[in-house]
Amino acid sequence: EAQVTQNPRYLITVTGKKLTVTCSQNMNHEYMSWYRQDPGLGLRQIYYSMNVEVTDKGDVPEGYKVSRKEKRNFPLILESPSPNQTSLYFCASSLGQHRNTEAFFGQGTRLTVV
Amino acid sequence: GIQVEQSPPDLILQEGANSTLRCNFSDSVNNLQWFHQNPWGQLINLFYIPSGTKQNGRLSATTVATERYSLLYISSSQTTDSGVYFCAAPRLGSNDYKLSFGAGTTVTVRA
Repeated sequence: EAQVTQNPRYLITVTGKKLTVTCSQNMNHEYMSWYRQDPGLGLRQIYYSMNVEVTDKGDVPEGYKVSRKEKRNFPLILESPSPNQTSLYFCASSLGQHRNTEAFFGQGTRLTVV
Repeated sequence: GIQVEQSPPDLILQEGANSTLRCNFSDSVNNLQWFHQNPWGQLINLFYIPSGTKQNGRLSATTVATERYSLLYISSSQTTDSGVYFCAAPRLGSNDYKLSFGAGTTVTVRA
């Protein structure tokens, strides 16, 4: 089954404790991205990757890192989480070609930083 | 990104009713997608519809790209249709495929 898989689904952590949210897709998509969703602010892009070893900042990159060593994986790293990073996070992927840019989203990760 | 406006912001329906959700966008777009966010927070793909009309069961969507709007139709609504409906699109010609999302329409279907 074609899908985008995020882990974990739920995470409660403490301020300053490094964490990684994993994202994997099995559709051989070139383009992957991370979004966060906050009440009143909607969904905003954090980082994106056009292909392996090609990443760039989205609208709200501060406090986050990403890497794209393999085509299927795009982990989101919070080196020193803070309470303002409490949010619902989504990983997304798409083919990456102009003719078909349909995006598929993971199940979401609810992160709480205390 | 582009500006995406959805209306209405909230919709309360009686089970079995029909409804139309609207999405206006400020610039030309490569494509347009409709999503349903269920009560568990998952974003479910409903339609990928750059133009024209598509149907999937009780749902259908129409995009008129030249007039910069899209409509989502829900017919014979069921309680499982409750949730938030989002439309999203990347700006035409953009290289990063970043989706600009509307604020959503919260649909509540009552039994």
